[in-house]
Amino acid sequence: AQSVAQPEDQVNVAEGNPLTVKCTYSVSGNPYLFWYVQYPNRGLQFLLKYITGDNLVKGSYGFEAEFNKSQTSFHLKKPSALVSDSALYFCAVMGRRALTFGSGTRLQVQP
Amino acid sequence: DAGVIQSPRHEVTEMGQEVTLRCKPISGHDYLFWYRQTMMRGLELLIYFNNNVPIDDSGMPEDRFSAKMPNASFSTLKIQPSEPRDSAVYFCASSLKQGRITYEQYFGPGTRLTVT
Repeated sequence: AQSVAQPEDQVNVAEGNPLTVKCTYSVSGNPYLFWYVQYPNRGLQFLLKYITGDNLVKGSYGFEAEFNKSQTSFHLKKPSALVSDSALYFCAVMGRRALTFGSGTRLQVQP
Repeated sequence: DAGVIQSPRHEVTEMGQEVTLRCKPISGHDYLFWYRQTMMRGLELLIYFNNNVPIDDSGMPEDRFSAKMPNASFSTLKIQPSEPRDSAVYFCASSLKQGRITYEQYFGPGTRLTVT
């Protein structure tokens, strides 16, 4: 069965600094990986995905994610954080049983 | 496109009552998913449909929960009878898959259910 781990419940970063939100996965076969963001009282919004190809995937709002097969990781990154990036971020992996989501990481960007 | 539409946005009901949540997926999408989100359990997949057919309902917590998709543009999630522990935000999502290509899921705004 597939699984996703987001080891940090919360990440704090100052505005303008780079940010990383960590994700590791476990799945048999080729991984299809996703990042979603959830703002308060909203549904999840798709940020980016890795299906195949370049290990560095670029997505919405300046976010990118780096796929590392040997470390089974798919960390979300942004070179310069904005206060408006503060939200809940979910990593997900596609398996036989649709998407499996991680527990989420709350990103807090301080002005 | 208006995106995934869910109704109602908020529902407050008393224990023992029947609750029906509604979802309209994005036109042309052939997969529909129902999720439940709580602080304690995070985001859980309840059931999903492909071309209106339920594929996996192993996430449905109890027989009190049932879901239907009578056509490509409408799905319901019903809880009967409802219990306080069913209080959560329920999300519907839809996606498109063609061959080996998996497309991202688009989520609705959710229904916040409170059972007193």
